[in-house]
Amino acid sequence: SYELTQPPSVSVSPGQTATITCSGDALPQQYAYWFQKKPGQAPVLVVHKDTETFSGIPERFSGSTSGTTVTLTIRGVQAEDEADYYCQSADSSGSYRVFGGGTKLTVL
Amino acid sequence: DVQLVESGGGLVQPGRSLRLSCSASGFTFGDFALTWVRQAPGKGLEWLGFVRSKDYGGTTEYAASVKGRFTISRDDSKSVAYLQMNSLETDDSAMYFCYAAFNVWGRGTLVTVSS
Repeated sequence: SYELTQPPSVSVSPGQTATITCSGDALPQQYAYWFQKKPGQAPVLVVHKDTETFSGIPERFSGSTSGTTVTLTIRGVQAEDEADYYCQSADSSGSYRVFGGGTKLTVL
Repeated sequence: DVQLVESGGGLVQPGRSLRLSCSASGFTFGDFALTWVRQAPGKGLEWLGFVRSKDYGGTTEYAASVKGRFTISRDDSKSVAYLQMNSLETDDSAMYFCYAAFNVWGRGTLVTVSS
């Protein structure tokens, strides 16, 4: 079955830049989506279609893509950004979607 | 307001069935695919499957982990989607979410499978 690989954790100090990667063989053909998940809350879409920051999301959130890896970048990290971040995409057929394992962002 | 609301969760014994509902309001539900996702305690998000809109055939796709046990359906006249879960196992205990258009999510409904 198709898998997306994320680092389990990323730690940054406030004001620094956090980068979270997501790797998968079908990413050159399929869009990736990034979600922020805080405990007890529903996931929130932050980046869609690889690079488009979703409406209402702070501009410090951005997405990029290179080959089989997509990256979520958070510039000027704030304490409120501490959360789990998940990438989601589809396999090469486009029919089956999958989430990456999630990355816990800790703001030191 | 645009929203989705899940319901139907609760405590159920292993081997039994449960049907979850996802009710929509504030948008044209029938225009969008509807996806179900779950998160077990301490675990990550797991995509379970989705039902396409009628414009795209209204067909369904499922994750391998639930295919054959879970069934997703929709009733656009009521703006509701369903997740029928059969032969439930303790590993199915999780918070279950539905979403549409990637950005409209419900708050989830908790399912606990235990004897």
